Amino acid sequence: TQLLEQSPQFLSIQEGENLTVYCNSSSVFSSLQWYRQEPGEGPVLLVTVVTGGEVKKLKRLTFQFGDARKDSSLHITAAQPGDTGLYLCAGVTTETSYDKVIFGPGTSLSVIP
Amino acid sequence: DSGVTQTPKHLITATGQRVTLRCSPRSGDLSVYWYQQSLDQGLQFLIQYYNGEERAKGNILERFSAQQFPDLHSELNLSSLELGDSALYFCASSNGGHEQFFGPGTRLTVL
Repeated sequence: TQLLEQSPQFLSIQEGENLTVYCNSSSVFSSLQWYRQEPGEGPVLLVTVVTGGEVKKLKRLTFQFGDARKDSSLHITAAQPGDTGLYLCAGVTTETSYDKVIFGPGTSLSVIP
Repeated sequence: DSGVTQTPKHLITATGQRVTLRCSPRSGDLSVYWYQQSLDQGLQFLIQYYNGEERAKGNILERFSAQQFPDLHSELNLSSLELGDSALYFCASSNGGHEQFFGPGTRLTVL
């Protein structure tokens, strides 16, 4: 069974602080996605990383895919209240003839003004 | 707005009842996914359809069933409802790639 773990489970920080959340697995993924979900809404895709070691930046957010494609991190610089939400990572594997997406349990981030 | 619509937004029903949740995917998307999200279980994959055919099954109970119609909309049927079925149910669609576009969800409350 392929599982994704995310840490920390909960994170509460002050506006302006930096933070890093992690996504780990014992499985190798062909790609990995990060989603953000705000309360009462569906998850929204932030980024997809494909190559081992790949780094992608989205404004104040930096995403990294591990060299072995088993883990990923999301770093937020100078967090703002608008960053508050549930951050989900999702690993993509290929099984038989189709791709399978597995979601992690998420990191709930609260940025306090 | 993701382009995925779900109805109803809220549903309150009693134990033992049956409900149907509806999803319309983004225009052109052939794949539809159903997820259940509760506070203690996180986002759980239930089932995926591609162009009318079941493609993958996750942790879907036998009391639950789904289908995708020729016009590509999908319905998730939940029967013999239990208190523990109370959750947010999300539909997502994709065009064959890995990016999924999620709808706003249906909040089901079983009393």
